[in-house]
Amino acid sequence: EIVMTQSPATLSVSPGERATLSCRASQSVSSNLAWYQQKPGQAPRLLIYGASTRATGIPARFSGSGSGTEFTLTISSLQSEDFAVYYCQQYNKGGSFGQGTKLEIK
Amino acid sequence: EVQLVQSGAEVKKPGESLKISCKGSGYSFTSYWIGWVRQMPGKGLEWMGIIYPGDSDTRYRPSFQGQVTISADKSITTAYVHWNSLKASDTAMYYCARLEDDILTGYPYYFDYWGQGTLVTVSS
Repeated sequence: EIVMTQSPATLSVSPGERATLSCRASQSVSSNLAWYQQKPGQAPRLLIYGASTRATGIPARFSGSGSGTEFTLTISSLQSEDFAVYYCQQYNKGGSFGQGTKLEIK
Repeated sequence: EVQLVQSGAEVKKPGESLKISCKGSGYSFTSYWIGWVRQMPGKGLEWMGIIYPGDSDTRYRPSFQGQVTISADKSITTAYVHWNSLKASDTAMYYCARLEDDILTGYPYYFDYWGQGTLVTVSS
């Protein structure tokens, strides 16, 4: 089973600043990597698939990069609605999620 | 509009059986995989398994194999997850979600639409 590891567990950033979240796979997943956002009491929402393609309706301040085993989600200028938990998920073999990064207001 | 509507919250005792549902609409139900994701209280997301309603091809994460049964009834565009004998550790929010897949191979990819979740509480 492919293990996904996200870092950091919690990230404190001020509104308007840039946030960089990392995700590492225990073996190569090519570009078969998605990112999701989950707010309290809500279902997750797809942000990025194919490591770097934004899903429909996702603002351009969200960007994804990476391939193989190292991936990054960048939020260029944090808005109040962006503070949430973010999960990466590989779908190269089965499907497994990272443990999540909580993005909190500094 | 794609919608996945899940059944309501359940409170059960250990050892009881349970089946929760997820009704899809607004798309061709038999042409997309549907999956189930567990979220235990205060924890992260866990990929449980998926089913292709078109031919009932079902795949489980090893840790969920034998613990739950995923099924679908394409006549009523509804997917299910079933437990024969619940444990307290099954207490969690369960989400269903549609999977986008590879256009050529049909290989299941990422979750693009999600249900609202079903909270299952197992307590004596």
